Amino acid sequence: GAGVSQTPSNKVTEKGKYVELRCDPISGHTALYWYRQSLGQGPEFLIYFQGTGAADDSGLPNDRFFAVRPEGSVSTLKIQRTERGDSAVYLCASSLRQGYDNEQFFGPGTRLTVL
Amino acid sequence: AQTVTQSQPEMSVQEAETVTLSCTYDTSESDYYLFWYKQPPSRQMILVIRQEAYKQQNATENRFSVNFQKAAKSFSLKISDSQLGDAAMYFCAYRSASGYALNFGKGTSLLVTP
Repeated sequence: GAGVSQTPSNKVTEKGKYVELRCDPISGHTALYWYRQSLGQGPEFLIYFQGTGAADDSGLPNDRFFAVRPEGSVSTLKIQRTERGDSAVYLCASSLRQGYDNEQFFGPGTRLTVL
Repeated sequence: AQTVTQSQPEMSVQEAETVTLSCTYDTSESDYYLFWYKQPPSRQMILVIRQEAYKQQNATENRFSVNFQKAAKSFSLKISDSQLGDAAMYFCAYRSASGYALNFGKGTSLLVTP
């Protein structure tokens, strides 16, 4: 079956602009995660959804970042008033459920460049 | 908070040889999971191997095996019979048994030479 997909693959924007990054999880996966990977670093957790609700958004760096998952499937990460420091690869992952056997399957990420 | 440390920014191995990537972590928890992920240039993180902390036996997946030393908080990855396709970034990751977020190290870039 299809894996996790993310669009766009690359996004270039100007400082101060608004961007939306989309994640399509594996069908049937109830858990969805967003991570941010800065250059030369490992991914850092941003937010976790169980179904439609954000169960944990403690990793979001500030209130410019927001994510939704209105129907419990596709998720959108929204960044307002982008800053150059927001430049990174944004990775999405999904898992069948939370719990012991919850291997996270990752998408290819969206590379965001803020000029 | 748990920290994961990968002290080798870059490693190199010849095709068909064996290489070991190091990882240490810091935690006060007794129950957790450890992972090694591979990230090729395509950026997609691929799970290589997983270890449950309560299991004493080291995990093995084909050419990949781990050396899990719980007391020393060490979790190294051994790749045997290295292949050109093994070249990638490798990330060590920690997850609490009661949690869901993966906590990654900074990664090790593995080069495989013919």
